[in-house]
Formats: sequence, structure tokens, C-alpha cells
Amino acid sequence: KQEVTQIPAALSVPEGENLVLNCSFTDSAIYNLQWFRQDPGKGLTSLLLIQSSQREQTSGRLNASLDKSSGRSTLYIAASQPGDSATYLCAVVGSQGNLIFGKGTKLSVKP
Amino acid sequence: SAVISQKPSRDICQRGTSLTIQCQVDSQVTMMFWYRQQPGQSLTLIATANQGSEATYESGFVIDKFPISRPNLTFSTLTVSNMSPEDSSIYLCSVDGTTGDGFFGQGTRLTVV
Repeated sequence: KQEVTQIPAALSVPEGENLVLNCSFTDSAIYNLQWFRQDPGKGLTSLLLIQSSQREQTSGRLNASLDKSSGRSTLYIAASQPGDSATYLCAVVGSQGNLIFGKGTKLSVKP
Repeated sequence: SAVISQKPSRDICQRGTSLTIQCQVDSQVTMMFWYRQQPGQSLTLIATANQGSEATYESGFVIDKFPISRPNLTFSTLTVSNMSPEDSSIYLCSVDGTTGDGFFGQGTRLTVV
């Protein structure tokens, strides 16, 4: 059974820092991996999708990498801003198209 | 990308009652997914809804408690039946994008009192 783990559970950094969020999964036979952002009490906003044949994806200040063989993905956020404060969720796509989520990393960026 | 509208966005309900949540997609999709997010937790899949067939429920979720309808390729409903305070959660519907990415509605924040 696929399990997704995210480390750290919470992170607080000063504005301007570069930071890395980690995601690991137990079954390397994944279709895709997706990073989401969730603001308090809200739904999910998709940030980046990495397909199984890709190693990384970039969008603005965000860069996500995928290493299927080791069962790991990282989300790199450059020059963090207070507006980046949110919970970041990593999810792998199962064979039926459903998503299996980690518990998330709660990020707080202090001005 | 897909645009998903979910209603209601939030509700406060009395225990023992039922709430039906609606999910409307702006394009036809084969599968729709319903998730639950309990306070402080991540998302857990409740069931997968295919048009024209019975929904497939994950372990720990049963049709009597969470009946699902999928009358066409753009719409689904999830009912939370005979609610108790433990059902207080955010409920989200999701669909697959054409590139295999997941898209979510804004969720329904349910509080049972």
C-alpha cells in the first residue's frame, strides 16, 4: 500500500530564505507526483505536476524534483515571501487516478 | 485544466441530519473523486465515482453513510448521512486533468453540532 511522508511537518523561516520541502513515497511505481498548496480552510491549488518520466518541473520561484528510484521528491521555494505561508501537500497518483496524500508541511514565512 | 464548482462552501448542521454536497465540472470527465480532510489531517479518499456505475468506496467508508450520485459526466453529489460531530471535516471533490493532474473544488467545510 502506497504511503506518502512529508518532512518537516512544520517550518518557519524569515522572508527571503530559500527552502526545501521533502516528500517520500514507499512504492516507486507511480504515475505522477503533484505538489499542492492549501490555505487555511480552503481547497487545494495545484502548484506543479511531475510526470513519471520527468525529473523536475519549474514554475516561477518553485522547482520540484522527482527521483522515482529512491522514492523522493523535493519542492524548492526560492526567495520565500510571507504570501507563501500555507500548507504544502505532496500527492502521488495511483493507478485509478486517485491521489494519495502526505500529511503536509505547514510553512510560515515571517516578514 | 478543469474548473470545479462545489456547493455549499460551508454549512453548520445538526447531528442526525444529512447534507448533500454538489460538485459541478466545466468539462466531461470519466472519474470524479471525493475526499475528506479531518481537522489537522491530510486528505483521505472516500470514493471514486464513475458515470453509470456504482461508486467504489475505500476501506472505512460505506455507501449507507456516504451515498454518491453520478448522473452525468459533469456532475456528482456526495451525501453525508446521519451526521455526528466526528463528520466535521472539509469535503472535496476532484477530477483528473488531461495530463493526469488532479484538480479540486474549493471544498465544503462541514461543522456538525
